[in-house]
Amino acid sequence: GAVVSQHPSWVICKSGTSVKIECRSLDFQATTMFWYRQFPKQSLMLMATSNEGSKATYEQGVEKDKFLINHASLTLSTLTVTSAHPEDSSFYICSARERRSTMNTEAFFGQGTRLTVV
Amino acid sequence: AQSVTQPDIHITVSEGASLELRCNYSYGATPYLFWYVQSPGQGLQLLLKYFSGDTLVQGIKGFEAEFKRSQSSFNLRKPSVHWSDAAEYFCAVGTGTASKLTFGTGTRLQVTL
Repeated sequence: GAVVSQHPSWVICKSGTSVKIECRSLDFQATTMFWYRQFPKQSLMLMATSNEGSKATYEQGVEKDKFLINHASLTLSTLTVTSAHPEDSSFYICSARERRSTMNTEAFFGQGTRLTVV
Repeated sequence: AQSVTQPDIHITVSEGASLELRCNYSYGATPYLFWYVQSPGQGLQLLLKYFSGDTLVQGIKGFEAEFKRSQSSFNLRKPSVHWSDAAEYFCAVGTGTASKLTFGTGTRLQVTL
């Protein structure tokens, strides 16, 4: 159980276009999902917390108009990188926390999406 | 704010040798502690976690970690490393909640035959 799936696994897009990444909880409902970003050979940095039915909470320094997050259902959150530029090229990974959770409930990670902007 | 330090950026060990990867955290209370492994171009795999109780935790692939409150550490160990263990290892902490994590900078493990 507790499977989180991201789609696509990798994507190449042209500079100036927008790219949507999906994060799905396959066998549980997730009221909260987290989006992380990992630059090459660096650690994962939390970008935002996505809450079902409400606006996402962005970490300091993350442009909310650049990285649009939508969490319209209990099993799906999407991250849209708008007007992508080469510096947005990165590995994006999500995690999801089960609906019936406590402070002790860990989140489960997707397999990540590698975005390359050319 | 909490922080996680992995002092070793890169470690090389011989196959069959023992391994210890260091992790220190800065937080006023006991955080939720995790170790993840990431192979090149892949996602994260959870090796083990500590929430409470016995301070020595066993994980998958023969890994274990020990929580030491006095040292604010959660070091990862393996008695005998296999070539397939070569990967990037991340220590992570959750403060107040186990689901929202702060990651260390990672330690790249290289295994020589």
